[in-house]
Amino acid sequence: DVKVTQSSRYLVKRTGEKVFLECVQDMDHENMFWYRQDPGLGLRLIYFSYDVKMKEKGDIPEGYSVSREKKERFSLILESASTNQTSMYLCASEGDSSYEQYFGPGTRLTVT
Amino acid sequence: QKEVEQDPGPLSVPEGAIVSLNCTYSNSAFQYFMWYRQYSRKGPELLMYTYSSGNKEDGRFTAQVDKSSKYISLFIRDSQPSDSATYLCAMTTSGGYNKLIFGAGTRLAVHP
Repeated sequence: DVKVTQSSRYLVKRTGEKVFLECVQDMDHENMFWYRQDPGLGLRLIYFSYDVKMKEKGDIPEGYSVSREKKERFSLILESASTNQTSMYLCASEGDSSYEQYFGPGTRLTVT
Repeated sequence: QKEVEQDPGPLSVPEGAIVSLNCTYSNSAFQYFMWYRQYSRKGPELLMYTYSSGNKEDGRFTAQVDKSSKYISLFIRDSQPSDSATYLCAMTTSGGYNKLIFGAGTRLAVHP
């Protein structure tokens, strides 16, 4: 069974703080993704990575950066958190030969 | 206009009803169509996957794709309270790193 874990289920941060969200997958998948999910907007892609140290911008990368130093770990960084980054953040992984993305349980981030 | 449109609901049905969930899309290059199910406080999980046009059946679930109308559907027969969840359609073209475009999700409640 593929397992994707995220470092926190709930997180409360203050405006201006630097925030790290971590994601780990155990299936040796090449591709990893970070999404945010907001009511009425569905899932929107922030960044994705198709290999270690490789990253590509998604549809809404502004205000975010990512790091992938090891194949199994993909981190999302909010350099200076703002209230409009309050959201549910979902990490996913995917094998190269598959169209199925496996999601973690999500981190609900509140920025006050 | 969004690339993928999905009615957010909520949709409330009695147990045993046939449920129809739908998405429309604008990009004729989409070739792969998926339905994800997301229970409350969980990440989405893949329910059905269809390539190009046609029908696919899996137990009580049937996925239909009509590329000429740019319309996809998910039917649930004999709906159960355990089917209560948010259903997200997703689609992608044949190339790239499987960048999925998601609908906003339809919240379904099946009451006993």
